[in-house]
Amino acid sequence: GENVEQHPSTLSVQEGDSAVIKCTYSDSASNYFPWYKQELGKGPQLIIDIRSNVGEKKDQRIAVTLNKTAKHFSLHITETQPEDSAVYFCAAQHPSASKIIFGSGTRLSIRP
Amino acid sequence: DTAVSQTPKYLVTQMGNDKSIKCEQNLGHDTMYWYKQDSKKFLKIMFSYNNKELIINETVPNRFSPKSPDKAHLNLHINSLELGDSAVYFCASSPTSITDQPQHFGDGTRLSIL
Repeated sequence: GENVEQHPSTLSVQEGDSAVIKCTYSDSASNYFPWYKQELGKGPQLIIDIRSNVGEKKDQRIAVTLNKTAKHFSLHITETQPEDSAVYFCAAQHPSASKIIFGSGTRLSIRP
Repeated sequence: DTAVSQTPKYLVTQMGNDKSIKCEQNLGHDTMYWYKQDSKKFLKIMFSYNNKELIINETVPNRFSPKSPDKAHLNLHINSLELGDSAVYFCASSPTSITDQPQHFGDGTRLSIL
């Protein structure tokens, strides 16, 4: 079955700097890669997703890149702000599967 | 208007008791899920229903029994609670069960077993 690895587990960056979170997946047939943000006491919320037919997608300060050959995908947050502090999860889904497989999460802290 | 709502938000109970968690979504989605998040924040799917039919049943003890009275509701009943059941349980929904459908999560039910 699909396995998703996520790094780093914790990340601390200065406010205004960029943050990068990386994930790898095991099943080359996976074709959907969402990213979720979980704030304290809340459920995960979708922030951006990418499908296997594109290599990059951007939404304001957030971008995701996908390298299908290497089975890597990454989340990039630019000009970080205090409200970006949260736990971020990557995930992958196989086209024949109804479930998505989550990475282990990255706790992002923004230093003022 | 809350899209996916779970009750209760907190549940503290004794080992051996039976408890239920309720979930409702007002998004008109066909598919609903239950996830378990452990103390290390790892999210693992437990069950999924599509239009009231069970489609995913992961390796979960049979003390856990989901029920979907209609496609907008998915409840989780847990018998004979054990210490290891302490976790946050999330309900989620998606438009359909096919791939590349974003999932919408509730805010979780924190279950603590004494």
